[in-house]
Amino acid sequence: KAGVTQTPRYLIKTRGQQVTLSCSPISGHRSVSWYQQTPGQGLQFLFEYFSETQRNKGNFPGRFSGRQFSNSRSEMNVSTLELGDSALYLCASSLNILTGTNYGYTFGSGTRLTVV
Amino acid sequence: AQSVTQLGSHVSVSEGALVLLRCNYSSSVPPYLFWYVQYPNQGLQLLLKYTTGATLVKGINGFEAEFKKSETSFHLTKPSAHMSDAAEYFCAASSGGSYIPTFGRGTSLIVHP
Repeated sequence: KAGVTQTPRYLIKTRGQQVTLSCSPISGHRSVSWYQQTPGQGLQFLFEYFSETQRNKGNFPGRFSGRQFSNSRSEMNVSTLELGDSALYLCASSLNILTGTNYGYTFGSGTRLTVV
Repeated sequence: AQSVTQLGSHVSVSEGALVLLRCNYSSSVPPYLFWYVQYPNQGLQLLLKYTTGATLVKGINGFEAEFKKSETSFHLTKPSAHMSDAAEYFCAASSGGSYIPTFGRGTSLIVHP
């Protein structure tokens, strides 16, 4: 069974540019969440998508956006990149639905974004 | 809002020694509790989880954790550390009808030969 696939693994962008990161969840998982991981702030929740709808959102500026496609694949976009956006961006998929058991996450290996 | 505190950003043990990583959560309602492990340049891997039922939870790689409601704790233990256990460990909790977990800041486990 394939795991959560994130592409690309590494990315270097210039301040002011925009970037799109991709995530393919485990087959059958309809919930996809995104996290930003930095040494200073730890793991911070960006947003969660379920069946193409954003179900939850963290406290990030509007420059951070995402979407989910009908096959559950998800993308996140960061516009007008700032130096502080340098981080490991993690995607996690889950069997979680609206009610019932909390199954926890399966994480991808992440995309390491460096803004210069 | 839920908060998770991991005591000690670094824990150092000798190979073969007991591993104890501490986690406390703040919640007035029964939480879902998780431990994840992160190896360098990788994502997080679920070690174990507590949802309901038995308070002693066994996970992968010989780890286990005990949910203690009276202490609002969910400490992670392993009887005998291996060199391969060296990694970053994260405790996470969710409650109040939300599946979105709050993560602790992580504890780096260092294993000495």
